[in-house]
Order: sequence, then C-alpha cells, then structure tokens
Amino acid sequence: ETGVTQSPTHLIKTRGQQVTLRCSSQSGHNTVSWYQQALGQGPQFIFQYYREEENGRGNFPPRFSGLQFPNYSSELNVNALELDDSALYLCASSSGGGSYNEQFFGPGTRLTVL
Amino acid sequence: AQTVTQSQPEMSVQEAETVTLSCTYDTSESNYYLFWYKQPPSRQMILVIRQEAYKQQNATENRFSVNFQKAAKSFSLKISDSQLGDTAMYFCAFNYNQGGKLIFGQGTELSVKP
Repeated sequence: ETGVTQSPTHLIKTRGQQVTLRCSSQSGHNTVSWYQQALGQGPQFIFQYYREEENGRGNFPPRFSGLQFPNYSSELNVNALELDDSALYLCASSSGGGSYNEQFFGPGTRLTVL
Repeated sequence: AQTVTQSQPEMSVQEAETVTLSCTYDTSESNYYLFWYKQPPSRQMILVIRQEAYKQQNATENRFSVNFQKAAKSFSLKISDSQLGDTAMYFCAFNYNQGGKLIFGQGTELSVKP
C-alpha cells in the first residue's frame, strides 16, 4: 500500500510569484485535505476536496486554490506569494469526506518565499 | 469559535517513565472528535489515538491512553514506559464534522532521554 506522497520536497519562490504543490493520496482514499504549518505552530486547515469537489475551507484568502483529479490526487495553488506564505504545506488523505476518518499525512512541502 | 490549547511547549521524560501531555479545547458542539497526532523530526504526522466525545470510556492504544474530561473540556495524553522513539512534537486536534477540518493546538515538544 502506497502512502501519501507530496512534491516537491522543498521550493524557493520570490514574492509575487505563483506556486503549485502536488499530493498523491493513499490507495483507496477519495479525500484530500491541505494544511499550512508555520514554523513552531500547529497546522492550519486550508481546504478539503472530496470526490473532486471542495468540501470545506478554512480562513485562507482566494489566492489559495485547489484541485482534485479523477484519480484523487490533488494540487494546491497559491498566487501572488507573500512572505508569510513561507511554511510547511501538508496534505492528508482519508476515505470519505467526514471528520472521524483517520487522515494520513504526507511528508510535506517546505515553501520559502523570499 | 473552536480552539485547542496546549499549555506545555516543551516536556522531557526519562526513558521507561510515564509522561502526561495536556490539552484543553473550547466548543459549543455536543458531539465531536478529539485526536493526538505525533510529528517526529522527519515531519510525517501520524495518528496516535482518537476519542469520540459521546463515548465516556477513555481510549487506549498500547502504551498511549487519554484522560477525557468532557465537562472540563480537557483531553490529556499519557505515555507509559516512554521510549526514545517517542521523541516528537505532539499535537492535540479537534473536529466536529465541518468538512474534515482538523483544528490543531500549538504542539508540545517531547524529548525522551536515555
């Protein structure tokens, strides 16, 4: 069974640029959630995709957008990057769009905005 | 608004001893779920234990157990027979079925010393 994978591992961008982060969900999972984890903080929920539809969104501006593909992999896009977007971005996959199903996390993508 | 508070930024324990990590939360919901996640230095977050609020019996997973006090909105994690591999950040998290959104605390960094 393949776990959750994310790419790239590290990324350096400059302010104002756009970035796309990718996540492959665990086999059999149809739900992907994205979180932003600033240094020394707990993860903050960005949004969740369930069967290719957005199923919930946290307190993030519209320049954070996402997509889920028919194979349930997902992308997180961030436009007009700001310095405060520097963080570890985690994706988590689960089966079902609810809350109790265990979310399996990927290793994360470390984004640095200069 | 739902909040999760972990008041112990850092803790240390000797190998084979017992340690308790604290977590309090605030919600007006009557049914919800609580989790403890472990994030080792390699970053991949894994679920340690979970508790459904309507279940009065405290959850147990091998050396890990919780003390769930619903009236006090407290959810502490006890690790018995601590092992070096338990060294990690531990996050308390809360969910009440709002689109899979996990709300995390700030984390407690646990060091197990030989």
